[in-house]
Amino acid sequence: DTEVTQTPKHLVMGMTNKKSLKCEQHMGHRAMYWYKQKAKKPPELMFVYSYEKLSINESVPSRFSPECPNSSLLNLHLHALQPEDSALYLCASSQGLTDFYGYTFGSGTRLTVV
Amino acid sequence: KQEVTQIPAALSVPEGENLVLNCSFTDSAIYNLQWFRQDPGKGLTSLLLIQSSQREQTSGRLNASLDKSSGRSTLYIAASQPGDSATYLCAVKVANFGNEKLTFGTGTRLTIIP
Repeated sequence: DTEVTQTPKHLVMGMTNKKSLKCEQHMGHRAMYWYKQKAKKPPELMFVYSYEKLSINESVPSRFSPECPNSSLLNLHLHALQPEDSALYLCASSQGLTDFYGYTFGSGTRLTVV
Repeated sequence: KQEVTQIPAALSVPEGENLVLNCSFTDSAIYNLQWFRQDPGKGLTSLLLIQSSQREQTSGRLNASLDKSSGRSTLYIAASQPGDSATYLCAVKVANFGNEKLTFGTGTRLTIIP
């Protein structure tokens, strides 16, 4: 298995809702990432997990809450989002942080906040 | 802070032509450079990965080069096809202990005209 799987593919949520994005990989990668991408912009890093521990938080608002329950799974919990949070959310994985391997990205979750 | 720039921002060429996309980065302390392709609203597909010690990588009609000392990479696409139309992103993995990140360029939107 050489894929990163993200669910759901599309999500519409109200500003008072609580929802979660899920990301899964079975490549044995020990680093996992969340990126946010707005239209016509490059992806922006949100969070980095290494060996299931949060390594980098790029000053993301607390309404985004990441979780790494095990080495194969990464969640992003969403609560009280704003319309400007609407974007494509990408998950990625790599073998490790300090190595020469590349990243594998999932197909993304298209989030719309209404 | 690493900055990655891609020129041109958009490119249209007739089918069958060879073309070159450019990527430049400001800090040569990198683990590797990766070229991705992104179709509208979709995730990132890895095309080529060049390690910091390598000069080039090839896959089919694609050839990527890396000149780390000058902070430049090029992606060469031979005999372009309409299916090559997409946004191409280069990204460098920063070798900065405790702050290892993938930093993306601004992207080149490529259109192949049938």
